[in-house]
Amino acid sequence: GNSVTQMEGPVTLSEEAFLTINCTYTATGYPSLFWYVQYPGEGLQLLLKATKADDKGSNKGFEATYRKETTSFHLEKGSVQVSDSAVYFCALSKTGANNLFFGTGTRLTVIP
Amino acid sequence: DTEVTQTPKHLVMGMTNKKSLKCEQHMGHRAMYWYKQKAKKPPELMFVYSYEKLSINESVPSRFSPECPNSSLLNLHLHALQPEDSALYLCASSQEGRTYGYTFGSGTRLTVV
Repeated sequence: GNSVTQMEGPVTLSEEAFLTINCTYTATGYPSLFWYVQYPGEGLQLLLKATKADDKGSNKGFEATYRKETTSFHLEKGSVQVSDSAVYFCALSKTGANNLFFGTGTRLTVIP
Repeated sequence: DTEVTQTPKHLVMGMTNKKSLKCEQHMGHRAMYWYKQKAKKPPELMFVYSYEKLSINESVPSRFSPECPNSSLLNLHLHALQPEDSALYLCASSQEGRTYGYTFGSGTRLTVV
């Protein structure tokens, strides 16, 4: 079946620290992979995506590379800010399946 | 217009009440979704509409009744809810196909008393 596994949180970092949130997936065929961010009290926002192997998605200083050989899509940012504090969800989408399969989410808190 | 608009933002209802959640998008997306999100959990899919027809119902209790009056609007009618139905209800829309991300609304925070 299709599933996404994210690293357990919460994650607490100091401002300007390096961020990695691990995400691995299980799926047949060629899924598309996404990172969504949810700020407190809000809905989800698409942060970045990659639709085929070796694609790199990037947005607002965040990056993630679609690694088919390790079935991974880890989220990285070189220098986090307090405003990056949020919950981050990794997700996948399959052809013919009108659904996103979400990971459990990772809460990030950045302290000044 | 690149937004999904949900109303109301907050709703408190009794277990005997009937209420409706509304969702609107003007991006020309032909797939629309209702998700339920409990605290500290990922969103759970409830319903999918594709080209205004219900294509997925994830075994949701009949006290939740979706409606898609046209390609821009999606409603969720609520009746005889239970306190455990209290959650954030998210609407989303997308173009058809696996490569498109979903655009989510900011949600309706529902409390059943």
